[in-house]
This record gives sequence, structure tokens and C-alpha cells, in this order.
Amino acid sequence: EPEVTQTPSHQVTQMGQEVILRCVPISNHLYFYWYRQILGQKVEFLVSFYNNEISEKSEIFDDQFSVERPDGSNFTLKIRSTKLEDSAMYFCASIGTRDGELFFGEGSRLTVL
Amino acid sequence: KQEVTQIPAALSVPEGENLVLNCSFTDSAIYNLQWFRQDPGKGLTSLLLIQSSQREQTSGRLNASLDKSSGRSTLYIAASQPGDSATYLCAVDNNDMRFGAGTRLTVKP
Repeated sequence: EPEVTQTPSHQVTQMGQEVILRCVPISNHLYFYWYRQILGQKVEFLVSFYNNEISEKSEIFDDQFSVERPDGSNFTLKIRSTKLEDSAMYFCASIGTRDGELFFGEGSRLTVL
Repeated sequence: KQEVTQIPAALSVPEGENLVLNCSFTDSAIYNLQWFRQDPGKGLTSLLLIQSSQREQTSGRLNASLDKSSGRSTLYIAASQPGDSATYLCAVDNNDMRFGAGTRLTVKP
């Protein structure tokens, strides 16, 4: 069964460092998303991406965050200068059609020290 | 801004019971509503997707209903099993998926 894959599964970084989280969405999907979940809290929407551009972003997704689809398969989330409060699980998700079923990856746990 | 609320926050039942999880949302202009399961430290597994034009969806022991006009959805789990223990999340799609805080379900053997 096709799945969304994310790497790394866990990354530990120092405050102020840049981090890139990688995702390979399901191959024929067209809409891509990043979410985050701080330990013990809600899953929060960060950004959606369609047709090589951001379609929606939340108030969390500030100038420190960026997304890119550098080739036909990868979808990346970059945090430019990490803060302690960026520690969370980051989930990538994709949908085939606009009203389709959302499929999630297993997540990348980011720990900022 | 869409607000999604799930009650109860936690639920503990003996094995074999039928149970209902509730989800409410404030903006009824949705594309669809999706129920997910999350095991501790894991990703989200899709359980059921209900399109805005549908009233319910069924998969095995799970049945989800949607009343868009009143902003409510329920997830019915029949004959619960210990393996059903997890957090169940409701998510509503109107331009982006907004999640409730989830219901943490424990099914005791």
C-alpha cells in the first residue's frame, strides 16, 4: 500500500541551527501538508502546498519556516533558526484530490536543546 | 476560524462495550470530515472519511456520522477490544485540516 515516508525519524539539534525535514508523499498525490504536534497537545496545521506554491499557511508558519518541492518526489520543511519551542513531532501528509482522504507519514521528532 | 471540539477527552470502558465519540465544529462550510487514530508516539492512521454531501460512513466495527448543519460528527465503535485503545482524532477540512484535541480511549480486558 502506498505510504507517506518521512526522514529523519528523530533529529536533535542545538538552538539556532537550521533543520530540514524531508517527506516523500504518495506518488500520484497533488496536495501536500505539514503539521506539527507538541508533546501532549493538538495536531496543528502549518502549511499546505499545491502546484508548486503555498496555498494556505497558519500563524505558526512564520518567516523562520519554508517549504520546498525540489524535485518530483520530495517535499521539505526547513526551519531556519530553531528555537526551544520548535521541539515537536512534525507530520507530513498528502491528498490525491482536493476532497480526498488525507494520509500521514509517521512523523519526524525534532528536539531542540 | 474553524474550532473543533471533541468530547469526552478520555474514556475508559470494559472490553465488549459499544461506545460513541463526539466531535463538533463551528464552521459548517466544510469539504469533508475525517476520523483518525493515533497510537502513542506514532503517526495518524485514517479511519473514515465523510464527504460533506454524505451522512455516514462505515468500516468494519466503525461507523461515523456527519450532521453538517449542526456542526457535529460521531464515531461509533461496536464491540470494543483492547486493541482499540488509542487516541481518536476528528479533523475538519475547509481549506486546511483542523484537528480536535482527541479522545483518549482505553479498553480494558
